[in-house]
Amino acid sequence: KNEVEQSPQNLTAQEGEFITINCSYSVGISALHWLQQHPGGGIVSLFMLSSGKKKHGRLIATINIQEKHSSLHITASHPRDSAVYICAVCGNYKLTFGKGTLLTVNP
Amino acid sequence: DAGVTQSPTHLIKTRGQHVTLRCSPISGHKSVSWYQQVLGQGPQFIFQYYEKEERGRGNFPDRFSARQFPNYSSELNVNALLLGDSALYLCASSLRQGALRVYGYTFGSGTRLTVV
Repeated sequence: KNEVEQSPQNLTAQEGEFITINCSYSVGISALHWLQQHPGGGIVSLFMLSSGKKKHGRLIATINIQEKHSSLHITASHPRDSAVYICAVCGNYKLTFGKGTLLTVNP
Repeated sequence: DAGVTQSPTHLIKTRGQHVTLRCSPISGHKSVSWYQQVLGQGPQFIFQYYEKEERGRGNFPDRFSARQFPNYSSELNVNALLLGDSALYLCASSLRQGALRVYGYTFGSGTRLTVV
């Protein structure tokens, strides 16, 4: 079993829909990152959180430390949100990544 | 202020050759980490360097080595390339090493290595 599991692996949505991507982890962490990766490969950090909830524009990230679970929500999804979304947990010196969720938002 | 810069952006090498990838962290960042991302998978941790010393190493063979220079830039070296080394190699910089306080990571755009 991977240390970081994401679901779903693939997600197709219509523009305007509410999106939820889930991440569960099995190791102790100091923080959790949500990252966005576009086809060119570059990774952009969306959120780093160690408790509670963070919001940035249409993106919301939550984490439940006791349940070792985090969710990334996208409200009013748009085709430009199409990308791979990756959950990564932070230990002492490294990030451990999930395999990513490929999100496609159709107009 | 420039972000994390990696060079080259793309590279094609032949099996058995050697490759050197380079990374310049954000100014002021002292920690550099290297990750390998094979197509369709999440990135896998290779090395972390902090203050020019190796602080962590992932499950990669000895063909992989790295170093960090006094200006905090870093090189990743891979010897005796195999077809399976074809991947996107990502560099991430951070202000400091983790532990008592969490510092965010900033990623470079990566070097796409193809071994033929």
